[in-house]
Amino acid sequence: QQQVKQSPQSLIVQKGGISIINCAYENTAFDYFPWYQQFPGKGPALLIAIRPDVSEKKEGRFTISFNKSAKQFSLHIMDSQPGDSATYFCAATPNDGQNFVFGPGTRLSVLP
Amino acid sequence: DTAVSQTPKYLVTQMGNDKSIKCEQNLGHDTMYWYKQDSKKFLKIMFSYNNKELIINETVPNRFSPKSPDKAHLNLHINSLELGDSAVYFCASSQDFTGEEGEKLFFGSGTQLSVL
Repeated sequence: QQQVKQSPQSLIVQKGGISIINCAYENTAFDYFPWYQQFPGKGPALLIAIRPDVSEKKEGRFTISFNKSAKQFSLHIMDSQPGDSATYFCAATPNDGQNFVFGPGTRLSVLP
Repeated sequence: DTAVSQTPKYLVTQMGNDKSIKCEQNLGHDTMYWYKQDSKKFLKIMFSYNNKELIINETVPNRFSPKSPDKAHLNLHINSLELGDSAVYFCASSQDFTGEEGEKLFFGSGTQLSVL
């Protein structure tokens, strides 16, 4: 119930393409869904986040799509750039904001 | 003026030794965490402290003991290190979890622990 599933494990995209990473959860108590970006040798950093009362959130080239009934959410990176190459983690937390549960991560490589 | 800083960045030690990792945050946050990232990049919470009080203590061996001398510091002490302890350990902080900011985790840059 506490798990967050994430796919694919790795993703290779050409520069300018669209990168899509999918996540799914079971626990209906989760009500905040952030995405974190991690570069090699660095800690994860918050990229974008969504609450289940909206179906989509866009910040620049990054968009989260949220499907509450299916308990799924996804990250879309438009016009992917080599600088986007990193590991991406979806996460979920219940409304007490304490116990973040992370997906296993997706290693994105954007080819020049 | 790093927000969450942890030391050392690399720690190489022999099996059976005792070691500590220090963490400090200058964000004024109330909650601090320790996460373990294994070789497959999987991030798992170990401990969470809110205002120096232990809030979350996941299934972690007793050899791991967090210490929070004040709300800006959360250190991790590990006794009798084992080969399986090799991982990257991340400190993180967030504001009072009851608020909007509570959901934002700020991570340190990690401590790569290698047990030989």
